[in-house]
Amino acid sequence: DQQVKQNSPSLSVQEGRISILNCDYTNSMFDYFLWYKKYPAEGPTFLISISSIKDKNEDGRFTVFLNKSAKHLSLHIVPSQPGDSAVYFCAASGSQGNLIFGKGTKLSVKP
Amino acid sequence: SAVISQKPSRDICQRGTSLTIQCQVDSQVTMMFWYRQQPGQSLTLIATANQGSEATYESGFVIDKFPISRPNLTFSTLTVSNMSPEDSSIYLCSVLPRMGQGNFYYNEQFFGPGTRLTVL
Repeated sequence: DQQVKQNSPSLSVQEGRISILNCDYTNSMFDYFLWYKKYPAEGPTFLISISSIKDKNEDGRFTVFLNKSAKHLSLHIVPSQPGDSAVYFCAASGSQGNLIFGKGTKLSVKP
Repeated sequence: SAVISQKPSRDICQRGTSLTIQCQVDSQVTMMFWYRQQPGQSLTLIATANQGSEATYESGFVIDKFPISRPNLTFSTLTVSNMSPEDSSIYLCSVLPRMGQGNFYYNEQFFGPGTRLTVL
C-alpha cells in the first residue's frame, strides 16, 4: 500500500509556462514533506521542503503548497526552464528521519 | 552539503553471487541509509546503517540478504547476497548530516549517485 502517491508518471510543459507536480499521501502523521529532483545517472538532490505546520513555502522559482485536509501537496515551477527537465520525487518524513517516496513524475520542459 | 561517492557505479552479476557496494562521505554524518529503486518504482528504504551496531532493517528486508556494515561515521557498505534477477535495481546510500551543521534541516537527506546493478 503506497503511502505517498504521484499519480502522473510524466508531464510535458512549454518553456516559460508553469509546471505543477502533484503528490498525495495517506498518513496524517507525516510531519515534513520534501521534493527531490533526479537527473539520469545521478542520485536525487534536495529541492524544497515544507513542514506540516505550514501551507506554503517558496524558494525562487519553486513553490510547494500543502493542503493537509486533502492530504495533498504540489510543486509549482514558474517559469519552467529546459534545465528543469528531470524526474521529481515527492517524499514524506516520519519521526525517525526516514523518507517515504512516491514513484516520481518525469517532467519535460520543451524549448 | 555532504559529498557522497559510491563504488561501483554499475555492475552486471551472475545469479547466486554477491556484490558489496561502498558508500563514502566527505564528512562525518549522524545517519546513513540504504535505498533501493527497482525499475519503474519509488525509492524504498532498505535499512539504516548504525555506526558500531547492527543495522536497522525495514519490513521486507533482512540482514542475511542485505548485510550492512558501518565501521565509522563516513563509510558504509551494503552487500546484496545470493543475487537473483529480482535484485536488479539502483542502490543508493544517503546521509543525514550532523545536527547543527550549517542550515541543514533534520530531514534533508543527501544521496549518493547510486549503483546500478543488473543480475543475469
